[in-house]
Amino acid sequence: KNEVEQSPQNLTAQEGEFITINCSYSVGISALHWLQQHPGGGIVSLFMLSSGKKKHGRLIATINIQEKHSSLHITASHPRDSAVYICAVLGSQGNLIFGKGTKLSVKP
Amino acid sequence: EPEVTQTPSHQVTQMGQEVILRCVPISNHLYFYWYRQILGQKVEFLVSFYNNEISEKSEIFDDQFSVERPDGSNFTLKIRSTKLEDSAMYFCASSDVGLVWPEQYFGPGTRLTVT
Repeated sequence: KNEVEQSPQNLTAQEGEFITINCSYSVGISALHWLQQHPGGGIVSLFMLSSGKKKHGRLIATINIQEKHSSLHITASHPRDSAVYICAVLGSQGNLIFGKGTKLSVKP
Repeated sequence: EPEVTQTPSHQVTQMGQEVILRCVPISNHLYFYWYRQILGQKVEFLVSFYNNEISEKSEIFDDQFSVERPDGSNFTLKIRSTKLEDSAMYFCASSDVGLVWPEQYFGPGTRLTVT
């Protein structure tokens, strides 16, 4: 069983749609990264959160520590949002434990 | 805005050769990390480094791997004798100290191809 599970694995949306990507984890301490990886391979940190909710532009991330679950929402999605979105949980030694990623494709 | 940089962006090497991947972390950060991502797979932790020594390493990080901070700015990953299965994207990351949950900032990666 994967320690960090993301769903869905692949997601296709029409421009303007509201998108939700989910992450459930069974390991780690109480902090979690949402990362974005573009086709060129580079990784960008979107959020790090340990409780509640964070918002940055059209992106919203929530976390429920008790349920070990986090969601990433994208409002008014745009083709430039197309990327792989990765959930990574902070391990007890400070290293990140990664999910397999959700590949998002937003069609115009 | 400060960023983590990595060189080279792409390295091609023959099996058995030594490679050194270089990273310049964000200047006031004190924790450094190497991760790798084999094509089509998830990102995996290799090693973390703090106060001039390894603080944690994964089972991937065997005797063929070493890390070093040779000066005040660079952080390097050396693979002594590369294997085909070392082909991957290698990411360096750094984080601050003094925060409860320090955020990690990633470099753009070095794509290593072993032929």
